[in-house]
Amino acid sequence: QQQVKQSPQSLIVQKGGISIINCAYENTAFDYFPWYQQFPGKGPALLIAIRPDVSEKKEGRFTISFNKSAKQFSLHIMDSQPGDSATYFCAASGSGGSNYKLTFGKGTLLTVNP
Amino acid sequence: GAGVSQSPSNKVTEKGKDVELRCDPISGHTALYWYRQRLGQGLEFLIYFQGNSAPDKSGLPSDRFSAERTGESVSTLTIQRTQQEDSAVYLCASSLFGGLLAGGGETQYFGPGTRLLVL
Repeated sequence: QQQVKQSPQSLIVQKGGISIINCAYENTAFDYFPWYQQFPGKGPALLIAIRPDVSEKKEGRFTISFNKSAKQFSLHIMDSQPGDSATYFCAASGSGGSNYKLTFGKGTLLTVNP
Repeated sequence: GAGVSQSPSNKVTEKGKDVELRCDPISGHTALYWYRQRLGQGLEFLIYFQGNSAPDKSGLPSDRFSAERTGESVSTLTIQRTQQEDSAVYLCASSLFGGLLAGGGETQYFGPGTRLLVL
C-alpha cells in the first residue's frame, strides 16, 4: 500500500527557532511532494511543494529539502512564529493515471511558544 | 469568487440514519475530490470527479458511501445507514483541470470540511 510516513507527531518550538518535520515515502513513482498547513476549523491549504528534479525549494521562511535516494523530504520553518502554530501534512502523488491522488502523512501538530 | 464551501459545517446523527454532505467547488474548477480525515490521522482519498463523471471511486470505504456531482458544480456525498466508525471530518477539494488533464502536481484547494458525529 502506498504510504507516506511523517514525524514527529507533535513539535513544540520557541519563537525564533527552527521547526523541522520529516516525511518518508515508499513508492518511487511519486513525483510531486506538497506540504499543507491546516489551522483548527479550516481546511488544509497548500504551503509549498517540490518535484524530485531539485533537492531544495525555498519560499520565504519555508524550505523543503528533498533526498531522492533516501526517499525522504522535510519541511524547515525558519524563525518560527506563534502564527505558524498549526497542523502540517506532507503528501505525495505519482505520475500516470492516478496523478491526482494525494497520499497524506498523518500530520504534525506544531506549537510555537511566544 | 470565494473558495470551496461545504455544508453543513457540523452534523450529528444517530447510527443507522442517512446523511448528505454538500460541496460547492471554486467556480470553473473541473475537478473535485472528497477526502476523509479521522481524528489524529491524515487525509484519506475517497473519490475524484472530472466534470460530472467519477473515474476513480477507489477510496469509498463501502457501498454505503456514494457521491454525485452536477455538471462542474455542486457535489454531494451520501452515507447510508451511518455507523460510529463513519465519524470523521469530510473534506472536499477542487482543482482547475484535474490530474488526468493537468499532468499531475496540480494544487487542490480544500474546503473547511463537515464534521460528522455518529452517535
